[in-house]
Amino acid sequence: RKEVEQDPGPFNVPEGATVAFNCTYSNSASQSFFWYRQDCRKEPKLLMSVYSSGNEDGRFTAQLNRASQYISLLIRDSKLSDSATYLCAVPTTGTASKLTFGTGTRLQVTL
Amino acid sequence: DTEVTQTPKHLVMGMTNKKSLKCEQHMGHRAMYWYKQKAKKPPELMFVYSYEKLSINESVPSRFSPECPNSSLLNLHLHALQPEDSALYLCASSQAGSQETQYFGPGTRLLVL
Repeated sequence: RKEVEQDPGPFNVPEGATVAFNCTYSNSASQSFFWYRQDCRKEPKLLMSVYSSGNEDGRFTAQLNRASQYISLLIRDSKLSDSATYLCAVPTTGTASKLTFGTGTRLQVTL
Repeated sequence: DTEVTQTPKHLVMGMTNKKSLKCEQHMGHRAMYWYKQKAKKPPELMFVYSYEKLSINESVPSRFSPECPNSSLLNLHLHALQPEDSALYLCASSQAGSQETQYFGPGTRLLVL
């Protein structure tokens, strides 16, 4: 099993739709999880951090399922501006942070 | 303010050149990172500095040489690169600790001819 796995997509959804992505991870000792958004030719920007069961910020909700070792990202009322690649990242345990990224899920929101 | 700055934004170099990438943060973070990202791939970790000491080197070729002059600055010295080293080089920083959020700079887009 890869350390972090994501469905690469693309997910093509109309404006206003609700879309969800999953990310599975292999390290059961991981305590924190991150969703980053990356626009074409730009740097990853932090979207949400998840430290317990989940987190919500406006239209975005992240949920953690430790038993099944996955985190999900739900986007409600999709906007054209949500079109981007969404990267899931999981740090290893230890004294220094090694962040392992999934391959990213490409979202395209259309009119 | 979660800002990490990187210079230059773009760099073109020949295989015999020596150049340096620079990264700076003023968030008081004590961990800094270099990542390499190729098109349509996720970022790949290259180096981690924790409290200005190199703590992780992901078996990166010696033509890449990192340096951390102080807690705010991180350099990546480049020498005798190959065309396949062309990529986006991202710097990130975080509070020290294994589960802390990392914040990325805008990156340097490198082209090796």
